Amino acid sequence: AQSVTQLGSHVSVSEGALVLLRCNYSSSVPPYLFWYVQYPNQGLQLLLKYTSAATLVKGINGFEAEFKKSETSFHLTKPSAHMSDAAEYFCAVSEYRDDKIIFGKGTRLHILP
Amino acid sequence: GAVVSQHPSRVICKSGTSVKIECRSLDFQATTMFWYRQFPKQSLMLMATSNEGSKATYEQGVEKDKFLINHASLTLSTLTVTSAHPEDSSFYICSARPAGGASGTGELFFGEGSRLTVL
Repeated sequence: AQSVTQLGSHVSVSEGALVLLRCNYSSSVPPYLFWYVQYPNQGLQLLLKYTSAATLVKGINGFEAEFKKSETSFHLTKPSAHMSDAAEYFCAVSEYRDDKIIFGKGTRLHILP
Repeated sequence: GAVVSQHPSRVICKSGTSVKIECRSLDFQATTMFWYRQFPKQSLMLMATSNEGSKATYEQGVEKDKFLINHASLTLSTLTVTSAHPEDSSFYICSARPAGGASGTGELFFGEGSRLTVL
């Protein structure tokens, strides 16, 4: 069975500082991995995805994530946080060509002025 | 980009009544839609997969007679919570995959969600 673990339900960073949101996955087959962002009272928006191509994936809004098979990790980073980045972030995993996406519990990112 | 709209965004109902939530793809056709439930401060739990013109596929533990799903057209899926009880209060979110889109790519478009409160 596949699963995703997000370390830290809340993360606070200062504006302009590095953002690092941690995600570890468990999968018996090569996974597809995703990061989604959810703004208050809104649906989810796909930030980026890993589908077995390049291990360093660049997404929207300056975010990127690196797939590390040896560490079973897919951490999300952004060099410089902006106030507009404050939101809930979900890491997710699915099997090849399967839309049944398993979500992590989410990490709420707070940006401090 | 593709837009998925849910209606109503908020609904309050009395215990024992039924509530219908609509999920519409506004500018694309969706052969497959998904319904999720999100508890406060928790992740999205997939409830069911809705396929146009056929019966929905429910995840284990989801009562199909409690949560009726209808996908009558390529742009509309509905979730009806029958005989709602306070424990059904939650945030319900739908997503849609454009017709012809490759499965498993994560290219799902999500609605804004519908918050149900059962008194």
